[in-house]
Amino acid sequence: QKEVEQNSGPLSVPEGAIASLNCTYSDRGSQSFFWYRQYSGKSPELIMFIYSNGDKEDGRFTAQLNKASQYVSLLIRDSQPSDSATYLCAVRRRRLAFGKGNQVVVIP
Amino acid sequence: ETGVTQTPRHLVMGMTNKKSLKCEQHLGHNAMYWYKQSAKKPLELMFVYSLEERVENNSVPSRFSPECPNSSHLFLHLHTLQPEDSALYLCASSQGTGGPTDTQYFGPGTRLTVL
Repeated sequence: QKEVEQNSGPLSVPEGAIASLNCTYSDRGSQSFFWYRQYSGKSPELIMFIYSNGDKEDGRFTAQLNKASQYVSLLIRDSQPSDSATYLCAVRRRRLAFGKGNQVVVIP
Repeated sequence: ETGVTQTPRHLVMGMTNKKSLKCEQHLGHNAMYWYKQSAKKPLELMFVYSLEERVENNSVPSRFSPECPNSSHLFLHLHTLQPEDSALYLCASSQGTGGPTDTQYFGPGTRLTVL
């Protein structure tokens, strides 16, 4: 079982719609969860982190954590073309483990 | 300079060459990391340094040799690499290594091509 799993297929969303990304993890002892955005040819940049069950909002981004079901999700509201990127989920217990990433394409 | 910087940004080397990657962080952090990012694969943690001491080595081949002379600088010395080592090498830093909210900040990366 992969440590951190993200759906691999590209996600296409129309401009203004909500993009929903999911991430599941295998280690029940994981304590904190991060979402990074990576533009093509660039390095990952932190969007937000969450460590308590429930929702955390930051601007157009909302992270949702459900430790019982071992998943964390990211919602992007009012998607913009500039949101087109790969989104990396990272999970930490002792060290940070990354998923392969989800590519998001926002169509104008 | 702000954040985490890396040089060079692009590197092409032959299998018999020796080269070094440099990383510098201007965030006052105590921990630094080397990651390898290959196409279609998750980020792979290579090395972790905390207060200049190596605290993790994830079974990385000896042709990769890290060096951390102080908490602001991190090097990755490369020798006799293989074509499959071609990847984006990312440096990151964080305040600590153990806290649940210790956030890692990445440098721009070095795109390495081994011929």
